[in-house]
Amino acid sequence: GQQLNQSPQSMFIQEGEDVSMNCTSSSIFNTWLWYKQDPGEGPVLLIALYKAGELTSNGRLTAQFGITRKDSFLNISASIPSDVGIYFCAGRKNTGFQKLVFGTGTRLLVSP
Amino acid sequence: DAGVIQSPRHEVTEMGQEVTLRCKPISGHDYLFWYRQTMMRGLELLIYFNNNVPIDDSGMPEDRFSAKMPNASFSTLKIQPSEPRDSAVYFCASSGGQGAIANEQFFGPGTRLTVL
Repeated sequence: GQQLNQSPQSMFIQEGEDVSMNCTSSSIFNTWLWYKQDPGEGPVLLIALYKAGELTSNGRLTAQFGITRKDSFLNISASIPSDVGIYFCAGRKNTGFQKLVFGTGTRLLVSP
Repeated sequence: DAGVIQSPRHEVTEMGQEVTLRCKPISGHDYLFWYRQTMMRGLELLIYFNNNVPIDDSGMPEDRFSAKMPNASFSTLKIQPSEPRDSAVYFCASSGGQGAIANEQFFGPGTRLTVL
């Protein structure tokens, strides 16, 4: 099935650094969601975006709904070791169905 | 509040055996989704229900897979007969509410299935 393209695939950073990742598609989406998955657990919803250009924050996390509606961005400021995990974007098209398309994931490693 | 509950958390079985995975969605949610996650294919939607009715099962790999939702608080995903290539983590998710918030899916902890 279709997947959204996420980049980078993985990141290894030092504690305290800021992180940026993005998600792109050739299709237009009307909803973007960002999830984090810890090892052995299910994805946990971090941020939901519903309008083109929307910028939403959740603590140290900030996500943006791209103006073209074909992309979304997630930033993490002042990273800490517990930010380690896999971050997934997910999008929903305006088809009337509740289906989400998931990104390929960005694996984040944070060195203390 | 309890989140999505899945059981078992781990299942190891032999090829050819029947496997049943269980899910209890968040109370009040009217959408329920079954996903499969593998390294090669990522998160794939298998099937989803709305008000206990299957809406889209186009992601179900083949006839060996079936899913039911007999009531608003319980769903099963069954694989019969199981094959080694079915080994994966299976997630259940639910969503509900009106408007945009219905898009927000909440995932269970998953069932790690290993078919030998």
